[in-house]
Amino acid sequence: DAGVIQSPRHEVTEMGQEVTLRCKPISGHDYLFWYRQTMMRGLELLIYFNNNVPIDDSGMPEDRFSAKMPNASFSTLKIQPSEPRDSAVYFCASSWAGSAYNSPLHFGNGTRLTVT
Amino acid sequence: AQSVTQPDIHITVSEGASLELRCNYSYGATPYLFWYVQSPGQGLQLLLKYFSGDTLVQGIKGFEAEFKRSQSSFNLRKPSVHWSDAAEYFCAVGAPNDYKLSFGAGTTVTVRA
Repeated sequence: DAGVIQSPRHEVTEMGQEVTLRCKPISGHDYLFWYRQTMMRGLELLIYFNNNVPIDDSGMPEDRFSAKMPNASFSTLKIQPSEPRDSAVYFCASSWAGSAYNSPLHFGNGTRLTVT
Repeated sequence: AQSVTQPDIHITVSEGASLELRCNYSYGATPYLFWYVQSPGQGLQLLLKYFSGDTLVQGIKGFEAEFKRSQSSFNLRKPSVHWSDAAEYFCAVGAPNDYKLSFGAGTTVTVRA
């Protein structure tokens, strides 16, 4: 099992540019989460999907952020246009519901985004 | 909505000494509680979880945590730390049938020789 795979590991971009972060969840997992980690705000849940359907996007900071999950093995988080305050580490995590809520979140290694 | 407080931002401990990290949660019913560890440049790894039953739970890497309902706490302990335990530790709370987790701000642990 390769774990949750995120790409790129690092992204440096200029303000106003579009940024796309990618995530491949663990095969068989039916929940996918996008988190953002900053020194000021800690870990924040942005959005999560169940069976490729967005369930709760209340954590998405504003309309510049969008997320998609076209199939069970791929998700993207897009920021357009990017701003310096978007600089953070973005984590993708996946889990499997199973018969009860006892499957932990499996995190990827994150994408460190720097917007200059 | 549930929330988590980790009162200690940074703890320094000597190798071989015991470690206790504090976690207080806010939730109206019995919560699901977790401890995760994050090494530099890595994602979060689950150390242990509590859903119900025995209030003392054992996890990986020699860690344990105790759920105390009366104190709304879920403190993490390790009897003897190793240099490899230097990392950031996060407490998280979730609600039954809700797959979202709320994370604390984290506690950074430094281990000195």
